[in-house]
Amino acid sequence: DADVTQTPRNRITKTGKRIMLECSQTKGHDRMYWYRQDPGLGLRLIYYSFDVKDINKGEISDGYSVSRQAQAKFSLSLESAIPNQTALYFCATSGPGSYNEQFFGPGTRLTVL
Amino acid sequence: AQSVTQLDSHVSVSEGTPVLLRCNYSSSYSPSLFWYVQHPNKGLQLLLKYTSAATLVKGINGFEAEFKKSETSFHLTKPSAHMSDAAEYFCVVMDSSYKLIFGSGTRLLVRP
Repeated sequence: DADVTQTPRNRITKTGKRIMLECSQTKGHDRMYWYRQDPGLGLRLIYYSFDVKDINKGEISDGYSVSRQAQAKFSLSLESAIPNQTALYFCATSGPGSYNEQFFGPGTRLTVL
Repeated sequence: AQSVTQLDSHVSVSEGTPVLLRCNYSSSYSPSLFWYVQHPNKGLQLLLKYTSAATLVKGINGFEAEFKKSETSFHLTKPSAHMSDAAEYFCVVMDSSYKLIFGSGTRLLVRP
């Protein structure tokens, strides 16, 4: 089984709809992250959480919210989706310290019409 | 603030020839640097990381990178490209809050 799972893997929705993307991990890590990937821009950080009670905004948090339900679960919500939120979304986890790599989920492809 | 610049958006090589993917970084202190690879329709996988222990870092699948402080570079190389190396590669620096900052990516094409 994959260490980091994301659901759904693909989603098409309409402008104005509320969408939730879910992430679960079995690595026992405290740190979790949400990124979006757009062509030519690499990955940009939306939100991150270093433990269950710690939530922080990343580079591009406007229009998004998150919930850390448990150590293993971190959800990303789009309260009212808009077309420019069409992107590939990745969840990641890491252990503590500056040298620990981040482990990425397979991604969720979201299309907002 | 930390940043990375990947100097080529696309690199095309023939199978069996060397690969060079270029990355320059900006950091006010000794950085943690990474290279990740993303195969089509897949997530990201760590290739290698620089943690100040050695300037030449060996990674998976025959890739390596050399940290050059004087040139603020962390270029990724492989002696002989394989068709399976075709993917997008990201150079990444970790900032002081342990967040990753990604370059814009280099797409590697491998010709038969």
